[in-house]
Amino acid sequence: EPEVTQTPSHQVTQMGQEVILRCVPISNHLYFYWYRQILGQKVEFLVSFYNNEISEKSEIFDDQFSVERPDGSNFTLKIRSTKLEDSAMYFCASNGGEQGPSYTFGSGTRLTVV
Amino acid sequence: TQLLEQSPQFLSIQEGENLTVYCNSSSVFSSLQWYRQEPGEGPVLLVTVVTGGEVKKLKRLTFQFGDARKDSSLHITAAQPGDTGLYLCAGRSGTYKYIFGTGTRLKVLA
Repeated sequence: EPEVTQTPSHQVTQMGQEVILRCVPISNHLYFYWYRQILGQKVEFLVSFYNNEISEKSEIFDDQFSVERPDGSNFTLKIRSTKLEDSAMYFCASNGGEQGPSYTFGSGTRLTVV
Repeated sequence: TQLLEQSPQFLSIQEGENLTVYCNSSSVFSSLQWYRQEPGEGPVLLVTVVTGGEVKKLKRLTFQFGDARKDSSLHITAAQPGDTGLYLCAGRSGTYKYIFGTGTRLKVLA
């Protein structure tokens, strides 16, 4: 069964450092997303990406965050200067159509900022 | 701000019992999804409901979307220990994103 792959599974970084979280969405999907889940809290939408541009972003997705699809397969989330409160599970998701019946999440990257 | 409230927050039941989880909002959603999430893993999509009043069945799981598309329920018949997990509803907000509910943590005891 097709899956969304995220790397690394766990990243520890110093406060103020830049991190890049990587995702390989399902190959024929068109819509890509990043969500995050702070420990014990609900899943929160960060950003959606379609047709090589950001289609929507939340208030969490400030100037410290950026996304990129550098080639035909990877989808990355960059945090420029990490803060302690950025510690969370970050999930990538992809979707083949607008209604979402093929919405698929990756297993996540646990980011710990120390 | 669109919010999805789930109830109950926690549920612990014996194997073989039936249960219902509710997902409520004051907002209308064009579609709604249910997920199950295991610890340390990403949410796994169970179902997407699109039409008000729609009922979908997935083995022992029955999902219903409210007529007004503001609420949904998940009913599990004869729960099994393998059903243990965090159940999340998510409503489609706009074109591109889903708003997640607060979650229901289910534990089924053997």
